[in-house]
Amino acid sequence: QKEVEQNSGPLSVPEGAIASLNCTYSDRGSQSFFWYRQYSGKSPELIMFIYSNGDKEDGRFTAQLNKASQYVSLLIRDSQPSDSATYLCAVKRNYGQNFVFGPGTRLSVLP
Amino acid sequence: NAGVTQTPKFRILKIGQSMTLQCAQDMNHNYMYWYRQDPGMGLKLIYYSVGAGITDKGEVPNGYNVSRSTTEDFPLRLELAAPSQTSVYFCASSYSETGELFFGEGSRLTVL
Repeated sequence: QKEVEQNSGPLSVPEGAIASLNCTYSDRGSQSFFWYRQYSGKSPELIMFIYSNGDKEDGRFTAQLNKASQYVSLLIRDSQPSDSATYLCAVKRNYGQNFVFGPGTRLSVLP
Repeated sequence: NAGVTQTPKFRILKIGQSMTLQCAQDMNHNYMYWYRQDPGMGLKLIYYSVGAGITDKGEVPNGYNVSRSTTEDFPLRLELAAPSQTSVYFCASSYSETGELFFGEGSRLTVL
């Protein structure tokens, strides 16, 4: 089992819809969870981070964390074509310095 | 605001050649990292540093070396390049152990 798993996609949603991106992780002791957005040919940039169970909202983005299920998700409301990118889930291990990244989910928002 | 600067952006190497990827940050971050990204594989940690003079191996360190003589600079050395090292390399820094990673623009390396 990989440490951090994501559906590779592509996930296609129409403009204005809600995009739901999912991530599962295997290290039950993980404490910090991050979502990065990466446009094609560019470097990753942080969208959101979450440490506690529940929801965290920032504008059109909502991160959801369920540590019991070892599951973290990112919801994008009112999706825009500019949201089309690869979304990387990253988990900070409870030991060492390593952020473990998932393979990413490619999102395509259709106008 | 320079942030994290990587050079070169592109490089083609022949098998067996060596080179250094440069990384510099101007945010006074103690934590610096080198990742490689292969298609569909996410980011894999090569080496990291928690401060000047301190470096440690990540998940995929074989074939690479690093040094951290100053807080600002964290070069990655490739010795005896192999086709398996063809990848996009990202340098990143963070202000704390659990903080946001700030990435450089990446260096695309091809080994032929």
